[in-house]
Amino acid sequence: DARVTQTPRHKVTEMGQEVTMRCQPILGHNTVFWYRQTMMQGLELLAYFRNRAPLDDSGMPKDRFSAEMPDATLATLKIQPSEPRDSAVYFCASGLEGGQPQHFGDGTRLSIL
Amino acid sequence: QQQVKQSPQSLIVQKGGISIINCAYENTAFDYFPWYQQFPGKGPALLIAIRPDVSEKKEGRFTISFNKSAKQFSLHIMDSQPGDSATYFCAASGTGANNLFFGTGTRLTVIP
Repeated sequence: DARVTQTPRHKVTEMGQEVTMRCQPILGHNTVFWYRQTMMQGLELLAYFRNRAPLDDSGMPKDRFSAEMPDATLATLKIQPSEPRDSAVYFCASGLEGGQPQHFGDGTRLSIL
Repeated sequence: QQQVKQSPQSLIVQKGGISIINCAYENTAFDYFPWYQQFPGKGPALLIAIRPDVSEKKEGRFTISFNKSAKQFSLHIMDSQPGDSATYFCAASGTGANNLFFGTGTRLTVIP
């Protein structure tokens, strides 16, 4: 059963530290999305890629967040430096050409102290 | 600005009852309307989706009703079961676009 794999599942770190979250999209999917979920804002799109090229990262704070796809099997979301307000669950999703339907991973629960 | 508005925020239904969740949108360019189900500690999972060329789509106990003129769509869960207790999100996407705009979610509790 193909699925999106995210690591780590949980991360607790102190303010100012660098955080890297990883995502392995479903094999063959060429569109990858990063979302952030909080109680206050719900599900927000941070960025997405098609064929490893960033198409839209307007939802991402540029000064501290960066997203990359080093290869077709790995997407990364990095926060440097991290702040308490970055505490949230970060989801990766992948899809075929056109993006739909999107298949979500089980997320990385991030806590910044 | 919330592109997709969802209600109610929470819903309690007796086992065997009908659960109804409503969503509304403004952007007439939207042409894909999925519903996602999310259990605690898990990512959202696609439940059912509809495009505006039909007014209703049914899959098992789950039905989407779509009203293009009113720019509204709803999820109906028939014969609701305790296992349906989860958070449900509606979403919308436009032609040629990849990103989904999500509603704020409805926490459904089905009481045995």
